[in-house]
Amino acid sequence: NSKVIQTPRYLVKGQGQKAKMRCIPEKGHPVVFWYQQNKNNEFKFLINFQNQEVLQQIDMTEKRFSAECPSNSPCSLEIQSSEAGDSALYLCASSLSSTSAETLYFGSGTRLTVL
Amino acid sequence: GDQVEQSPSALSLHEGTDSALRCNFTTTMRSVQWFRQNSRGSLISLFYLASGTKENGRLKSAFDSKERRYSTLHIRDAQLEDSGTYFCAALNMGYKLTFGTGTSLLVDP
Repeated sequence: NSKVIQTPRYLVKGQGQKAKMRCIPEKGHPVVFWYQQNKNNEFKFLINFQNQEVLQQIDMTEKRFSAECPSNSPCSLEIQSSEAGDSALYLCASSLSSTSAETLYFGSGTRLTVL
Repeated sequence: GDQVEQSPSALSLHEGTDSALRCNFTTTMRSVQWFRQNSRGSLISLFYLASGTKENGRLKSAFDSKERRYSTLHIRDAQLEDSGTYFCAALNMGYKLTFGTGTSLLVDP
């Protein structure tokens, strides 16, 4: 099915620490999305990229996260100062297009626990 | 904002029975995608529909082509391996993907 690779599988951080996760999109997919899934199964869109450019991001991401998708390197999402409320499953997805309806392929996620 | 109402929130089926999940959208959507999330958290894509119906084995999905305001996922002859949490996710005219809150399915012998 999906060939999106996310690392690490699990991440445990203390409050105030940085938390960094990575994503390798499917080959040939220029669009990458990050979503946060909380314990209530609610998905929150965080940010998306087309190639190396940010297309959209929510306020929280802009203020507290650092994200990039450099060419020839994995995409990354980093929380600058982790909070307890950041504990969640972080899912990366890739797609062929951001401007037409296309299937999203998800990775297995990084489960972050902030103690 | 756009809402996706998914039902039921939980479902228990005996092996061999049929059932259906449904997602209603508060606004017109361009497309819908159905996923199954396993216990490890992996979201497996089941169907992508821009209109009409698609079938794959014991699963069949439909997306209302007229109003584009709902989608269904039918499970026929449920098997133990169908257990998991199912999500629909719909793409609106602004290309924003909105997820339903999931259906937790348990199939027992």
